[in-house]
Amino acid sequence: NAGVTQTPKFQVLKTGQSMTLQCAQDMNHNSMYWYRQDPGMGLRLIYYSASEGTTDKGEVPNGYNVSRLNKREFSLRLESAAPSQTSVYFCASWGRQGASGANVLTFGAGSRLTVL
Amino acid sequence: GQQLNQSPQSMFIQEGEDVSMNCTSSSIFNTWLWYKQEPGEGPVLLIALYKAGELTSNGRLTAQFGITRKDSFLNISASIPSDVGIYFCAGQPTNAGGTSYGKLTFGQGTILTVHP
Repeated sequence: NAGVTQTPKFQVLKTGQSMTLQCAQDMNHNSMYWYRQDPGMGLRLIYYSASEGTTDKGEVPNGYNVSRLNKREFSLRLESAAPSQTSVYFCASWGRQGASGANVLTFGAGSRLTVL
Repeated sequence: GQQLNQSPQSMFIQEGEDVSMNCTSSSIFNTWLWYKQEPGEGPVLLIALYKAGELTSNGRLTAQFGITRKDSFLNISASIPSDVGIYFCAGQPTNAGGTSYGKLTFGQGTILTVHP
């Protein structure tokens, strides 16, 4: 049971290049999320998908697009990368975890993106 | 958007000391979650709180859901070097509907350093 898996772990881009961050979860959760983490800012929601077939903007969606490919996979795309998008990106899914069955947000290990 | 004020921003303590950190909000939350993040990893859930006044322990960690539903604290007793990391509080708003469960608001984080 891998939980939430995201790739790549590291990426360096030049301004204007595009790339896609991939995320997959094996916990059968309906809802998936993309957050970015910047120093002193905590985690901020970029986009989320409440269920397969739906996506919605979060707090900081500008410059990003997402695709909920199926129940397991939720990708984040940067069409034209900018230095302001240098950050650590986390994918997460919301649902029951462990024997207690409590609903929690489970994160992937993160993708560190640098835009030059 | 909603704001979560987490304090302190950083702590430098000696091994064996107790640690206390807290989060306050201008809005009511119906769930509080506490996460720990180690370098190069995603946040990992420590404790989840679902009821006002709830006090929950996980080993040396104790967290409480404030009675006003606008605050929460996390205590770590008898700290050890492996407690080092960034601790985040996260709250789920009371107006969260079926599509908002994972749309958490995060505090800025508390950086904990433990000296042996």
